[in-house]
Amino acid sequence: KQEVTQIPAALSVPEGENLVLNCSFTDSAIYNLQWFRQDPGKGLTSLLLIQSSQREQTSGRLNASLDKSSGRSTLYIAASQPGDSATYLCAVNWNRMNYGGSQGNLIFGKGTKLSVKP
Amino acid sequence: EPEVTQTPSHQVTQMGQEVILRCVPISNHLYFYWYRQILGQKVEFLVSFYNNEISEKSEIFDDQFSVERPDGSNFTLKIRSTKLEDSAMYFCASSDRGIHYNSPLHFGNGTRLTVT
Repeated sequence: KQEVTQIPAALSVPEGENLVLNCSFTDSAIYNLQWFRQDPGKGLTSLLLIQSSQREQTSGRLNASLDKSSGRSTLYIAASQPGDSATYLCAVNWNRMNYGGSQGNLIFGKGTKLSVKP
Repeated sequence: EPEVTQTPSHQVTQMGQEVILRCVPISNHLYFYWYRQILGQKVEFLVSFYNNEISEKSEIFDDQFSVERPDGSNFTLKIRSTKLEDSAMYFCASSDRGIHYNSPLHFGNGTRLTVT
């Protein structure tokens, strides 16, 4: 079964710290992987998308890496700020089982709730 | 920056009633999606839509659900006869070329559906 796991469920850090959020997935035959941010009561904001052929993507203070063989992705946040406090979701798009291309949908992890203290 | 707009933000309905959730995707996007998130649980895929037809759907998306693009701007999700377990946050998303072309999904703020 294709599953996405994010550990820890919650993380609290002091402002200014560099931190890493983890995402693991059960099947290495992924098509792409997307990281989102979710603020309470709000929708999901797309942060980064990594294609299966890529090892990492960067946007500002964010860097996402992908290691398909080990079934892991990490989201690195540099110099964290209180405004980074949110739930971070990892979502995987897998290859179709029997023929090429993607399954056309995202399977989400439960997220890591990040709190950055001033 | 263009965004996906969903209305209403909160809908309360009685069990057995029909509801229509509305979405206005980003204007030049061609692929549309509905996801839902039951309180405290993961975001789950419901359906994807392209070129006026369903591309993919999950097991959740049974005969009680339907989607429509009634005009050039709106994308709707209808639940024919709501059940208590349909209570969730429903998210609409759009993508310009689709997730299968490595094009990211952009989500709206969601409609919280409460079935009583």
